[in-house]
This record gives sequence, C-alpha cells and structure tokens, in this order.
Amino acid sequence: NAGVTQTPKFQVLKTGQSMTLQCAQDMNHNSMYWYRQDPGMGLRLIYYSASEGTTDKGEVPNGYNVSRLNKREFSLRLESAAPSQTSVYFCASSEQRINEKLFFGSGTQLSVL
Amino acid sequence: AQSVTQLGSHVSVSEGALVLLRCNYSSSVPPYLFWYVQYPNQGLQLLLKYTTGATLVKGINGFEAEFKKSETSFHLTKPSAHMSDAAEYFCAVTSSGGYQKVTFGTGTKLQVIP
Repeated sequence: NAGVTQTPKFQVLKTGQSMTLQCAQDMNHNSMYWYRQDPGMGLRLIYYSASEGTTDKGEVPNGYNVSRLNKREFSLRLESAAPSQTSVYFCASSEQRINEKLFFGSGTQLSVL
Repeated sequence: AQSVTQLGSHVSVSEGALVLLRCNYSSSVPPYLFWYVQYPNQGLQLLLKYTTGATLVKGINGFEAEFKKSETSFHLTKPSAHMSDAAEYFCAVTSSGGYQKVTFGTGTKLQVIP
C-alpha cells in the first residue's frame, strides 16, 4: 500500500545549491502534480503532468523544473535554491478524469539558508 | 478562473460541539468541489467531494458538506466534534474544460477543546 512516495523527507540547502525531489506512485495514475505549502497560503501548484510525456506550468513555476521520467515517476528540480523556496513540498497523483481525488505523498520539508 | 475562499484560518470548538468550516468558491463553469484534511506531518486526504447530483455530500469520519449554488458555498459540518478531528482542512475546486487542475483554499486549522 505504498501509494505516493516522496524522497527525501527533510532537506537543508544553502542558497545557490541544487537538488531534486523525487516522487513515485504505484497506482498507475496518469496525472501527477507538485505543490508547495506555505503558512497562510494553502497549497499552490508548481507544475503538473497530465500524462506521461507532458508537463505544464502551474501557479508558481519560477525557479523549478520537472521531469516526468515515466508513468510512475515525477521529479522536481531546484537548479539554484533561494530562501523563498523554503517550504513543504507535496507530490500528488490522480486519475485523469476531472472529478477524481488527489492522492498525496507525505511531503518534503525543505529549508534554504 | 477558479478560486476558493475559506473564512477563518483558525476555528476552535469544544469537544461534542458542532463543527462548521466555511468555503465559498468562484468558478465560471459548474465546479467540482472537495474537502481535504491534513493531520500533522502528513499529506492531505480526501474527506468528501461534490461532482453532480445530490447537493448534500457525506464523507468520512461523520463529516458532510452541502453544495449551495445560489450562495456559491460548500461549507463543511460535523454535528459533534471529537478530539481526533483536530487538523487542518482545505477546500478545493476544479472545473471542467480539460484535465484536472485543482485550486486549494488557504486552509482552516480546527482546534478541539476538551
């Protein structure tokens, strides 16, 4: 019953460092998403992938890149981390139908110093 | 464009009291509406969803929500709060016209006082 698995759970970076957040789902979902959660701002969509081979920008894509490696995996890369990217990051997946629920991973807490 | 507004970032209720968490939405097309719950240090889980049909939707853990188109609201209620209900609750909306793109509200933290 793995569902959506995110790694790492915690990460501390220095300004300017790069890193990749990994996400994998085992539910054969077509759609995958990256959100960031900040206090008082709810969840904001960074990037999403409607299906394997496609990616699109969400509400706050600046400073991030994504790769839909295959149907299971969707990674988020910070090329040059900034303090403004300190946040909790959630990966999610869903069936492609419009009214289907999202399944979330347990999150990655990222601090950029 | 679609959006949701959750009134009250923090709500406190006594154990056994009514829980009412407010959500108003904006959507140019018929919306699909969701309530998610987030327990500490966890991801979000679906409580309930409204798609079409019956406007009163029942979810898990005794929660329910009513879709009121005239008021553009989708408030979450539970008749009697339990200590285990303490969590953060998010209202969310998505609408037709393409693949799923969900917009979340800013969240309401529910505190249950013994």
